[in-house]
Amino acid sequence: DTGVSQDPRHKITKRGQNVTFRCDPISEHNRLYWYRQTLGQGPEFLTYFQNEAQLEKSRLLSDRFSAERPKGSFSTLEIQRTEQGDSAMYLCASSSDFLNYGYTFGSGTRLTVV
Amino acid sequence: DQQVKQNSPSLSVQEGRISILNCDYTNSMFDYFLWYKKYPAEGPTFLISISSIKDKNEDGRFTVFLNKSAKHLSLHIVPSQPGDSAVYFCAASTGTASKLTFGTGTRLQVTL
Repeated sequence: DTGVSQDPRHKITKRGQNVTFRCDPISEHNRLYWYRQTLGQGPEFLTYFQNEAQLEKSRLLSDRFSAERPKGSFSTLEIQRTEQGDSAMYLCASSSDFLNYGYTFGSGTRLTVV
Repeated sequence: DQQVKQNSPSLSVQEGRISILNCDYTNSMFDYFLWYKKYPAEGPTFLISISSIKDKNEDGRFTVFLNKSAKHLSLHIVPSQPGDSAVYFCAASTGTASKLTFGTGTRLQVTL
């Protein structure tokens, strides 16, 4: 297993367009998380899944954002009608034994909205 | 409302000396704390964690200290090495919810 994979690594889109990011977690991890990081800030929680169930969503996740994890494997994060304020690094992470090993993060998808 | 604060944006330490990174939190419900290291163009990497039932946890060169009464934790790196140069994030969670609240990070530079 090569860790948490995110695709694409970079995405430039025009304001108002929709974008979708994919995350492939470590296969034996049942929990999957999405975070967003902007310049000079730490990662901010967006949402998390246990298997295919979305258990918590941040108020940061407006109606334009939706995340899915069909069949409890990979996950997608979609942003509709992108705005310049959506420009950020979107990080995916997965875990199984959180208390001992924390999360394993992917390298992220950097979104630039022009 | 920044519940986890890292007040030093940067720190420079000579190779071989001790690096001390600090973190303060305001939410008394936090009971599990982690440190992550982040290199440019990579995701954060888990370093070490501590539960609120302990006041110290060690893993090789890395030691985390927790002072619950002061709502303060620190990461000690001894001896510091050039490869430790990175941004370090402190994070906290409540129970086993596993949602993490991160600080803003401290950039550590270890000089020769």
